[in-house]
Amino acid sequence: EVQLVESGGGLVKPGGSLRLSCAASGFSFSNYTMNWVRQSPGKGLEWVSSISGSSIYIHYGDSVKGRFTISRDNAKNSLYLQMNSLRAEDTAVYYCARDLLGSGSYYLDYWGQGTLVTVSS
Amino acid sequence: DIQMTQSPSSVSASVGDRVTITCRASQGLSSWLAWYQQKPGKAPKLLIYAASRLQSGVPSRFSGSGSGTDFTLTISSLQPEDFATYHCQQANSLPSTFGQGTKLEIK
Repeated sequence: EVQLVESGGGLVKPGGSLRLSCAASGFSFSNYTMNWVRQSPGKGLEWVSSISGSSIYIHYGDSVKGRFTISRDNAKNSLYLQMNSLRAEDTAVYYCARDLLGSGSYYLDYWGQGTLVTVSS
Repeated sequence: DIQMTQSPSSVSASVGDRVTITCRASQGLSSWLAWYQQKPGKAPKLLIYAASRLQSGVPSRFSGSGSGTDFTLTISSLQPEDFATYHCQQANSLPSTFGQGTKLEIK
């Protein structure tokens, strides 16, 4: 059974940093592009970042470019999101999600339960 | 970035009704479009991808159509478990973008 479990969310002050993790199981993790998607309270979904199975291809949304860094450790079946220079508008539930077709379709077939990041003083 | 606009923003319907939700893209997507269902406090669930392909395990009462800039999600006969928020997503170009969501409520 495919499982994605996020962790690392919490309350952080503006300008602070946080590192999210996503532990994957039940599939061949290294064969799949992985994504981070966020959802602000009561708002729609926003794609944040993606990383290919080999970490060669990495992409970011404009709102996080230069502040967030996506990475993965295939030996540990884990995905990460390092978030720096956090702003109030980064407050959201952050989901990790798997690419349906393995490499860069951006259709997301499995999602974690989400981890809440709150940026507030 | 490609803007995705869903309509309506909310809709009330009864069990057994046929419901259609529309998604319009600001640029042509070919068939690079997905639909997701989301229930409160839960992650989105993939229903349809490539505009009309039903994801494994999704009931056949869900269907998708369209190409280019105009797409529809149809639920042929609403069931109680279908009351949720529905999101469209374009996967044609990065950044991938979502519509604002359509909340399907019980009448």
